[in-house]
Amino acid sequence: SQTIHQWPATLVQPVGSPLSLECTVEGTSNPNLYWYRQAAGRGLQLLFYSIGIDQISSEVPQNLSASRPQDRQFILSSKKLLLSDSGFYLCAWSVRQIHTGELFFGEGSRLTVL
Amino acid sequence: DAKTTQPPSMDCAEGRAANLPCNHSTISGNEYVYWYRQIHSQGPQYIIHGLKNNETNEMASLIITEDRKSSTLILPHATLRDTAVYYCIVRFHGSSNTGKLIFGQGTTLQVKP
Repeated sequence: SQTIHQWPATLVQPVGSPLSLECTVEGTSNPNLYWYRQAAGRGLQLLFYSIGIDQISSEVPQNLSASRPQDRQFILSSKKLLLSDSGFYLCAWSVRQIHTGELFFGEGSRLTVL
Repeated sequence: DAKTTQPPSMDCAEGRAANLPCNHSTISGNEYVYWYRQIHSQGPQYIIHGLKNNETNEMASLIITEDRKSSTLILPHATLRDTAVYYCIVRFHGSSNTGKLIFGQGTTLQVKP
């Protein structure tokens, strides 16, 4: 069966520090991968999606970047965190085919920037 | 992808049916209606999806109007564990589809004892 892992689950970082959130998927090949963010009291915002290794699309301009060094690994990074980067970050995957079905989400990483 | 409109919040008594409406008046012929829910501090969970026929699974039923401009998610016997934010999403299915979902604000369903 397929599983998705995200880490760390929680972290507190000072403004200006770097960030690295990691997501890996097991039990499937060539997945589509996604990073979402949910600010406090807000809806889910799609940040990045990827249809293959080194193929990353950004949905909104921001202080963050994403990379996909391996087929089932998706990394969210920042060189210098801002207060506005605080939020709940969710990684997700889906089967890559024309008529796609559901997205499968990880448990999330809660980031607090102080 | 077509935009959806949902009420911001709803209450439902435990054991009763919860009927969550969604308007998607600009939906096109090859766009599906998806429903997800998000329990507090967890990732969203897929519930059901459909194109034009009514759909039912072990979690819920999806009723889509004949003109496809609106739909209703029905939880037949709501429990306290169904308290969550419910998202109605309209998404294109086609060769250019990347699989991404664009979430709106959703409806916060509060199931009360």
